[in-house]
Amino acid sequence: GAGVSQTPSNKVTEKGKYVELRCDPISGHTALYWYRQSLGQGPEFLIYFQGTGAADDSGLPNDRFFAVRPEGSVSTLKIQRTERGDSAVYLCASSPEPRGETQYFGPGTRLLVL
Amino acid sequence: KQEVTQIPAALSVPEGENLVLNCSFTDSAIYNLQWFRQDPGKGLTSLLLIQSSQREQTSGRLNASLDKSSGRSTLYIAASQPGDSATYLCAVDTGNQFYFGTGTSLTVIP
Repeated sequence: GAGVSQTPSNKVTEKGKYVELRCDPISGHTALYWYRQSLGQGPEFLIYFQGTGAADDSGLPNDRFFAVRPEGSVSTLKIQRTERGDSAVYLCASSPEPRGETQYFGPGTRLLVL
Repeated sequence: KQEVTQIPAALSVPEGENLVLNCSFTDSAIYNLQWFRQDPGKGLTSLLLIQSSQREQTSGRLNASLDKSSGRSTLYIAASQPGDSATYLCAVDTGNQFYFGTGTSLTVIP
């Protein structure tokens, strides 16, 4: 079946602009996670959704970052007033209930802020 | 805060060798531990998931062990192949967050 998909695969933007990154999880997976991975580092947890609600958003670095999952399926990560330090690969993963199951990762969106 | 460390950062071995990758974590109160593989420019692929109550998991040539009390996990790869070349990451689930190590970059030389 289809895996986790993320769009766009690459995004180049200018400092100060607004960007949206999209994640389509595996059908039927209720848990969805966003991570950020900088070069040479492991993924850094950002936010976890269970259904439509953000069960844990403690990893979001500041209030410029926001994520939604209005219908419990597709999720959008939104970054306002982008900064050069936001440049990274943003990874999305999904898993079936309950939390603690294997996570299935998408290919990521590579964001470059100039 | 949970800290996850992986040693070595990079490893190069000839084809056919058995090898061990190490992962250590500072807080033993974990829900589970997962080993992932990441190929360049790609997402992560889950290899093995060990629940906190388990000691090891096996899949093909891979065997992962977990010693929660000492905060350690190892990933054993038997009879390595060039196709095993990738970065291997471990991640611990504390129930609140997932914490990843920085990975071990493995190169298997034909």
